[in-house]
Amino acid sequence: NAGVTQTPKFQVLKTGQSMTLQCAQDMNHEYMSWYRQDPGMGLRLIHYSVGAGITDQGEVPNGYNVSRSTTEDFPLRLLSAAPSQTSVYFCASTGEGRAVYEQYFGPGTRLTVT
Amino acid sequence: GENVEQHPSTLSVQEGDSAVIKCTYSDSASNYFPWYKQELGKRPQLIIDIRSNVGEKKDQRIAVTLNKTAKHFSLHITETQPEDSAVYFCAASNQAGTALIFGKGTTLSVSS
Repeated sequence: NAGVTQTPKFQVLKTGQSMTLQCAQDMNHEYMSWYRQDPGMGLRLIHYSVGAGITDQGEVPNGYNVSRSTTEDFPLRLLSAAPSQTSVYFCASTGEGRAVYEQYFGPGTRLTVT
Repeated sequence: GENVEQHPSTLSVQEGDSAVIKCTYSDSASNYFPWYKQELGKRPQLIIDIRSNVGEKKDQRIAVTLNKTAKHFSLHITETQPEDSAVYFCAASNQAGTALIFGKGTTLSVSS
C-alpha cells in the first residue's frame, strides 16, 4: 500500500491563480480530511469527507473547495489564490468504522502564493 | 466551534527528565484524543491515543491521561532522550466525530 499520497510536493502560485492539490489513498478509508499548517498555529481543519459524495466544512473553509467523487480521491481546489493561503497542506484519511480514529497523513504540499 | 488549547508552547528539559504537555478541549461530545509527534519537514506521526472510556494509557516511556469531567488530557514522557525533541500536537475528535481539531503544538527540546 502506498498509504496517503499528495501531489505536488511544492508549488508556487501568483495571487489570483487557481490550482488543485491532489490527495489519494489506497486503504479504502471512508473518512478523508484536509488540514493546513502554519507556524505557531498547529493544524487547522479545512474540509472533510465521510464518504463519496459527502463533504463538510471544517474550521477554515473559506477560499477552498472540495469534492469526493470516489473513495480514493479527495482533491482540494484553490479558486483564486491569496498570500494568506501560503501554508503546508496535509491530507489525511481514517477508516475504522463510522468514527474518526488514527489519521494517516500524507507527506504534505508546501504552497507559496506571491 | 470546538476548541483545543495546548500548553506550554515550548518546553526544554534535560535528558532523563520527564516532560508533561497539557491540553483542554471544549466539546463534551469529543471521544477520541490522539497525540502526534512531528519532526521538522515531516508529516505528523501518531504516538499514542486514548478514547473517552479509558482514563489512562501507557506505552513504554509515553503515557496519556484523560479527565472527561474537567475536559483535559495530558501527555507524559519519562526518561526523555534527545531524539524526543520535536513538536507535539494534541487533538480531539470534532462534535460530529468525523475529523480532528488540533492544539497549536508544543516544541520539546531535550538537551544532553
